[in-house]
Amino acid sequence: VLTQSPVTLSLSPGDRATLSCRASQSVGDYLGWYQQKPGQAPRLLIFDASKRAAGVPARFSGSGSGTDFTLTISSLEPEDFAVYFCQQRGDWPPYTFGQGTKLEI
Amino acid sequence: QEQLVESGGGLVKPGGSLRLSCAASGFTFKDYYMSWIRQAPGKGLEWFSYISGAATTTYYADSVKGRFTISRDNAKNSLFLQMNSLGVEDTAVYYCARNLRLMAGNPPYYYFYYMDVWGKGTTVTVSS
Repeated sequence: VLTQSPVTLSLSPGDRATLSCRASQSVGDYLGWYQQKPGQAPRLLIFDASKRAAGVPARFSGSGSGTDFTLTISSLEPEDFAVYFCQQRGDWPPYTFGQGTKLEI
Repeated sequence: QEQLVESGGGLVKPGGSLRLSCAASGFTFKDYYMSWIRQAPGKGLEWFSYISGAATTTYYADSVKGRFTISRDNAKNSLFLQMNSLGVEDTAVYYCARNLRLMAGNPPYYYFYYMDVWGKGTTVTVSS
């Protein structure tokens, strides 16, 4: 099980955002982060806990291993306000998502 | 440009069936695992099935096992999802997604743990 916190995060453009994802058992480094805007499909931001996917701006960074992970957005742009999901590679089912953190203005 | 386009969603009565399709373009389809993920209205994401590139391996979440069947036609760059015995709990937007191909280890092996290309989704509504 993946637990994300906070459920909602209210910040302003230019702020630093820190989103948390905790796994109920170790997933090593096999943790990804996705961004989803209203009416759109999710977009992969981070894989293997800390590697940015193609085309993802450098203001997005991931860290952590084992059970505790963090997605950091160093300076929020207006387009960053969205819902963020973490995703693990687990034993069964192979892939599970957290419940999401809504980043709002 | 890598692209996935789902089709086949719609309104179906409980107990009914639907077949979803996903057309892939812009990449070598046969080289990738593919997944189906769904999102119920106002809810989070649920991965529920994947298939290997050669279709030799499939997995299903318990929520759909025995009712849904994933398949692919590599000659036509297409992914499919046959959904039977649908219930109201299956109401969702259904996304097909490509599993990112990564390499690790020595000797090297591929792993496909993340979804890096997504379609826009197709809506399935199960209601009487």
